[in-house]
Parts: sequence; C-alpha cells; structure tokens
Amino acid sequence: AQKVTQAQTEISVVEKEDVTLDCVYETRDTTYYLFWYKQPPSGELVFLIRRNSFDEQNEISGRYSWNFQKSTSSFNFTITASQVVDSAVYFCALSEPNYGGSQGNLIFGKGTKLSVKP
Amino acid sequence: EPEVTQTPSHQVTQMGQEVILRCVPISNHLYFYWYRQILGQKVEFLVSFYNNEISEKSEIFDDQFSVERPDGSNFTLKIRSTKLEDSAMYFCASKAGRTPSGELFFGEGSRLTVL
Repeated sequence: AQKVTQAQTEISVVEKEDVTLDCVYETRDTTYYLFWYKQPPSGELVFLIRRNSFDEQNEISGRYSWNFQKSTSSFNFTITASQVVDSAVYFCALSEPNYGGSQGNLIFGKGTKLSVKP
Repeated sequence: EPEVTQTPSHQVTQMGQEVILRCVPISNHLYFYWYRQILGQKVEFLVSFYNNEISEKSEIFDDQFSVERPDGSNFTLKIRSTKLEDSAMYFCASKAGRTPSGELFFGEGSRLTVL
C-alpha cells in the first residue's frame, strides 16, 4: 500500500506566487518522522525539513513553511513568493521506526514537479 | 561542508554486464544506504548497511545486488548481471546515528543506463 501520497504530479506557477505542495501519509506507527527533500534539475536530493510525529508545530524557514496536521495525516509545504530557483521536484518522505524502518529508511512519495516561470 | 560523494556520475553498460557503483559516505557516519530512482518515478529504498552487514533490504534488492564496505571508506553497490530495468539513478546516503529521525545525507547520484 502506498504510504506517502503526493497527489499533485506537476504544478506551474508564475514567479512571486505562493504555492502549496500537498503530502498525505499513512502509517501504523505512533512514532514516525516526516521529511521533505528537494531534487533540482541537477539531480541531487537536498534535505529541507524533518518533523517528528509528536511535534505538530508548524515551521517557517524564510520563504518555506510546513503545516503538519495529524488529524488529516498531512504534511504540506508552502513556498511564499516563489522564485525561478525553486523549480524542482519536491519529495515528501516518511520514516516508520517500528515497521521496517528501524534505522530511518525513508518511504518517498512520487514527488511533485514545481515549475516557476519568470 | 562534508558531503557524500558518488562515482561514476553516469555509467552506460550492456545488459548482462556487472556494474559497481561507488560511494564515499561522510567520514563519521555509521549507517549507509542505497536508494534507486527510475527516471521520472519516486525514490525507492534498496538496502541499509551498518557494522559491516546489511541491516535491512527491500524486495527490489534481490540476489543480483550486493553491497560491501571493502576498505572502511568506500561503500559499493554491485549489480552482478544488469537488466534493462536496472536503468535508474542510484543514490547513496549516510547517517550519523541510529535514530530514525536522523538526517540522511544523499550523494548526487550515479546514473546507470543499461542497453
């Protein structure tokens, strides 16, 4: 069963628009960790954020913000005032320590390709 | 800033050939991983490695795959007899500690093309 769902395959916005990337997860664990990674056109995976299941505080880092809602099993990512350099594929990922992920193996969603046009 | 390095960045091989992908994890890290990303698809876990042995592996990681850490620095992924469907980007990652919350540091990937 798919554990991490990123329903938006591709999003295209114009520079300076705000954009939200959705992530819905499914887990049997009460302790779990959620991550967002960015994959720019060059191909590497860049860590953006980690959130544990006991911390539902939203987080803001510059133009990036994350909204974690356990009630809806969602961990959405918003970019404010998007820039061309934000163009990338963004992956949401889940780590379930008690179910085959004891060492932090990540289960990735299929990714959302964000294109920011000037 | 310490980083995970992978070689080669791109390898083209004929079906049935053996391929070795190399990774140098961050020096004080203890946990090592290989992930695979078929073009345009999601990143998939292959195997994790700790204390010179495989800790966990996915169903993708069949008998054609093997990993080792031959010299205490390199961490290699070997594919014994490549198939067309092995064409993908292979990412190495490392992590400092055991906790599942720890950040995985990924390399830039090795693109494997099997003809």
